[in-house]
Amino acid sequence: NAGVMQNPRHLVRRRGQEARLRCSPMKGHSHVYWYRQLPEEGLKFMVYLQKENIIDESGMPKERFSAEFPKEGPSILRIQQVVRGDSAAYFCASSPAGRGLFFGSGTQLSVL
Amino acid sequence: DQQVKQNSPSLSVQEGRISILNCDYTNSMFDYFLWYKKYPAEGPTFLISISSIKDKNEDGRFTVFLNKSAKHLSLHIVPSQPGDSAVYFCAASVRQGGSEKLVFGKGTKLTVNP
Repeated sequence: NAGVMQNPRHLVRRRGQEARLRCSPMKGHSHVYWYRQLPEEGLKFMVYLQKENIIDESGMPKERFSAEFPKEGPSILRIQQVVRGDSAAYFCASSPAGRGLFFGSGTQLSVL
Repeated sequence: DQQVKQNSPSLSVQEGRISILNCDYTNSMFDYFLWYKKYPAEGPTFLISISSIKDKNEDGRFTVFLNKSAKHLSLHIVPSQPGDSAVYFCAASVRQGGSEKLVFGKGTKLTVNP
């Protein structure tokens, strides 16, 4: 987990509100991945970004979900009009030039 | 379609004994395999990895074995310690267009009893 910073750690939203999850990758890493873990499930790939580019969003739900990684600042995963089924742990990971991912501590999203 | 399977949701082992966690995969394009360890309310922590060109990789008490023909890998922890109690995720990867997309199993909860 060293160096990948996610905030907030816990986020509570009511149905219909927006959720914004932030991730700062490890120093020197310019590749960011977002994964989601539903209860009793493994981690599922959502999206892969480099600075100012979405490289692979094949795991993102088609509606309400978006991600960005601007030139300056953290990567943002945005969920609009949240529903109860969005409740999950969302993990960000960054990657060095080699193989493998390093994960942050995650954001636990709870939708009431 | 679950490409990476960990068929044992849980495993209980006595301290000092060997823990063996198993993982099967279906996609023969995977060329890199990893094990992550996860404590509650924390992110997954990288433990050990193996490239498909190898059949064994060892790091201290942790050894990963890869059997490509059987599409099977295992993680051996010996001797097991109570602090090893956690959920262990197997992950497989293939580079596609510069993207390192990991596919995870559902995890095995290891309990090491003192």
